[in-house]
Amino acid sequence: NAGVMQNPRHLVRRRGQEARLRCSPMKGHSHVYWYRQLPEEGLKFMVYLQKENIIDESGMPKERFSAEFPKEGPSILRIQQVVRGDSAAYFCASSPTGGYNNEQFFGPGTRLTVL
Amino acid sequence: QQQVKQSPQSLIVQKGGISIINCAYENTAFDYFPWYQQFPGKGPALLIAIRPDVSEKKEGRFTISFNKSAKQFSLHIMDSQPGDSATYFCAASKDDYKLSFGAGTTVTVRA
Repeated sequence: NAGVMQNPRHLVRRRGQEARLRCSPMKGHSHVYWYRQLPEEGLKFMVYLQKENIIDESGMPKERFSAEFPKEGPSILRIQQVVRGDSAAYFCASSPTGGYNNEQFFGPGTRLTVL
Repeated sequence: QQQVKQSPQSLIVQKGGISIINCAYENTAFDYFPWYQQFPGKGPALLIAIRPDVSEKKEGRFTISFNKSAKQFSLHIMDSQPGDSATYFCAASKDDYKLSFGAGTTVTVRA
């Protein structure tokens, strides 16, 4: 029973390039959340998605960042024209439902380094 | 701004000792307070969680104490073991999905 899967685990990009981070939720989970963890800080909520819908993107930077969760395939967090400040660990979590008593199961994260 | 403040940043405890981590919050609308455990290179894993209608919750060696009037909650790890060495995050939410995390506490248990 595989958990939340994220790939790549480590990603290195040069300034100005694009970064694509993938998240496959646990089997049977249709709710996905993305968080960002900067060094020495806790995780910060970015976006909450259900299949084909963005429910809450209040934590996403207004520019360069986008997220999707298509009907088929993994959820994608896309960062265009990366800058050094985007270097962080990006965690995806999933849950079976979005309601009360909703435990989020986290993946191992993608460590993004921007040179 | 940090919605949940966590302390200490790190702590060292002897095997068999008690580890105590404290968190404070400002938003009185928060109604879900989970604790997560994270090992190096892994994602956070839910350890134990509490709702504000109870003041204490215990699961094995882990206990959450919750003080609603003071807007504080803490994690106690009893009989700490070397396998408990990890980073612990407190969190809070008011809608069950937008978790606000503390900055984390690195716990080292010395054998």
